Amino acid sequence: AQKVTQAQTEISVVEKEDVTLDCVYETRDTTYYLFWYKQPPSGELVFLIRRNSFDEQNEISGRYSWNFQKSTSSFNFTITASQVVDSAVYFCALSEARQSGGYQKVTFGTGTKLQVIP
Amino acid sequence: DAGVIQSPRHEVTEMGQEVTLRCKPISGHNSLFWYRQTMMRGLELLIYFNNNVPIDDSGMPEDRFSAKMPNASFSTLKIQPSEPRDSAVYFCASSRALPGGPNEQFFGPGTRLTVL
Repeated sequence: AQKVTQAQTEISVVEKEDVTLDCVYETRDTTYYLFWYKQPPSGELVFLIRRNSFDEQNEISGRYSWNFQKSTSSFNFTITASQVVDSAVYFCALSEARQSGGYQKVTFGTGTKLQVIP
Repeated sequence: DAGVIQSPRHEVTEMGQEVTLRCKPISGHNSLFWYRQTMMRGLELLIYFNNNVPIDDSGMPEDRFSAKMPNASFSTLKIQPSEPRDSAVYFCASSRALPGGPNEQFFGPGTRLTVL
């Protein structure tokens, strides 16, 4: 069974501070995909990143960076120099990979609410 | 390009009434998902369609819930009869399933359902 744990329920930081959102996952599969989604106050979930289990390189996209560590089953997300617009709920998610590409159930974590204070 | 379209955006109904939520996925996407989000239970997958066929409906809470996808561009989620505990935000999402791995899902704006 798949499981995603986001232990941080809520985090508050002051603008321009760096913040890391933790994500720990469990899966029996050797091939899987990890995702991060952002849900701003408007409510719509927005895709941020997808990473497969064979690619452990860290990724950076502007102020966002992701640290994938298979050894600790973690896929943490860091926002550098946070801004008020980063205030949102962030979800980490896990999906098994199927060779047929047919079934792709995604298990979401419970989310971390980030508040960036001006 | 239009994203995932859901209607209505808000629905207020009385207990016992039938509720129908609608979703139009992104053109070309062959996978469709219905989720429910509440404070208590977070984001839950209700049902997943691939090429219009329901693949996994294990998340559907009970027989009062049903979902259909008559064609590639339309899906409905029906609750009959509705109960106050069904109050939640219901999201529809679509993606393009490819061999070898799941793609990112594109979410609609959600339908906020309130059952009085």
